[in-house]
Amino acid sequence: AQKVTQAQTEISVVEKEDVTLDCVYETRDTTYYLFWYKQPPSGELVFLIRRNSFDEQNEISGRYSWNFQKSTSSFNFTITASQVVDSAVYFCALSVSQGGSEKLVFGKGTKLTVNP
Amino acid sequence: DTGVSQNPRHKITKRGQNVTFRCDPISEHNRLYWYRQTLGQGPEFLTYFQNEAQLEKSRLLSDRFSAERPKGSFSTLEIQRTEQGDSAMYLCASSNRDPTFQPQHFGDGTRLSIL
Repeated sequence: AQKVTQAQTEISVVEKEDVTLDCVYETRDTTYYLFWYKQPPSGELVFLIRRNSFDEQNEISGRYSWNFQKSTSSFNFTITASQVVDSAVYFCALSVSQGGSEKLVFGKGTKLTVNP
Repeated sequence: DTGVSQNPRHKITKRGQNVTFRCDPISEHNRLYWYRQTLGQGPEFLTYFQNEAQLEKSRLLSDRFSAERPKGSFSTLEIQRTEQGDSAMYLCASSNRDPTFQPQHFGDGTRLSIL
């Protein structure tokens, strides 16, 4: 079975601080993808990044960076110089090709509050 | 690309009533998913369509739930004889089949409240 654990329920930081959101996953599949989504107060889930199980290179996109480590089954997300607009719930998700649906298995999310 | 559209945004109904939600996916997407999200939780998978075929259903989808995707375009999710526990946000997502593991794009959801 697949499982995603986001141990941090809520994080509160002051603007311009760096913050890391943790994600640990479990799967027996060798081929899988990991995703991060952002859910602002408006409610719509916004896709941020996709990473496949064979690509352990870290990725940076502006103030966002992701650290994928297969050895620890982790896919952590760092926001550098946080801004108030980063306040949202962030979800880590896992997808495997079992049955062909590629459905997403989500963690419970981490609520990030960035205070001015 | 107009995004995934869901209607209605909110639905309030009395216990025991039937409700139906609609999802219009991104037009070129052949995969369509329904998820349910309760307060403080991540979305949970309900069902999956590839074109008009419903290929996977979660155990969460009791016999009171039915989903359709006629002609492989829009989809509807119906809940019969609603119960308090059905109160949740129902999310629809769509993606392309090829290449594999394309990101799923989500709609704004339909929030269901059972009185």
